[in-house]
Amino acid sequence: GPKVLQIPSHQIIDMGQMVTLNCDPVSNHLYFYWYKQILGQQMEFLVNFYNGKVMEKSKLFKDQFSVERPDGSYFTLKIQPTALEDSAVYFCASSLGGGRTETLYFGSGTRLTVL
Amino acid sequence: GDSVTQTEGLVTLTKGLPVMLNCTYQTTYSPFLFWYVQHLNEAPKLLLKSSTDNKRTEHQGFYATLHKSSSSFHLQKSSVQLSDSALYFCAYDSGYNKLTFGKGTVLLVSP
Repeated sequence: GPKVLQIPSHQIIDMGQMVTLNCDPVSNHLYFYWYKQILGQQMEFLVNFYNGKVMEKSKLFKDQFSVERPDGSYFTLKIQPTALEDSAVYFCASSLGGGRTETLYFGSGTRLTVL
Repeated sequence: GDSVTQTEGLVTLTKGLPVMLNCTYQTTYSPFLFWYVQHLNEAPKLLLKSSTDNKRTEHQGFYATLHKSSSSFHLQKSSVQLSDSALYFCAYDSGYNKLTFGKGTVLLVSP
């Protein structure tokens, strides 16, 4: 079936540095999402993105976070600067449409460790 | 506020036995419920979804019925297989695919 690829699968950085998490969504999809999962807790919605714009973001989407999809390539989540509490698994997802009946396709996640 | 509560932790079963993983929700929106399954080192994948009250939905031997009266969407299978060992998430959609997830249940099936 359709696949969402996330690169890299693990990333370790020092607190205060910038990190960019990359997501290669399903090729014809138009809606993109990031979810965050802290160890032992549920996956939580961060942001959704369509037509070059953020549609909705949660309170977890701090000012240090930004998303973009330049020239229809990777969908990225940038954190600058990083903090210890940003350590989590970040899941990217995409869907063809934005309605509630649409299926979200998730990547396998990027485990981010901030030291 | 909106939330999803599911059977927490680990459920261990012997192959061939039935399973039910509980999921209840609280939301002010019209509910649209999902079950996702995540096998080890793989991406979460949609297993089932429903927004229709009292209608059973099935996929790959798993089934669930949305009951709005009890705010539940329990996942069931009549006979589990070794390949069903995975992490299962219940979730609902509050609009624009903003999913609220439960904490997940690990199902471990032994021979």
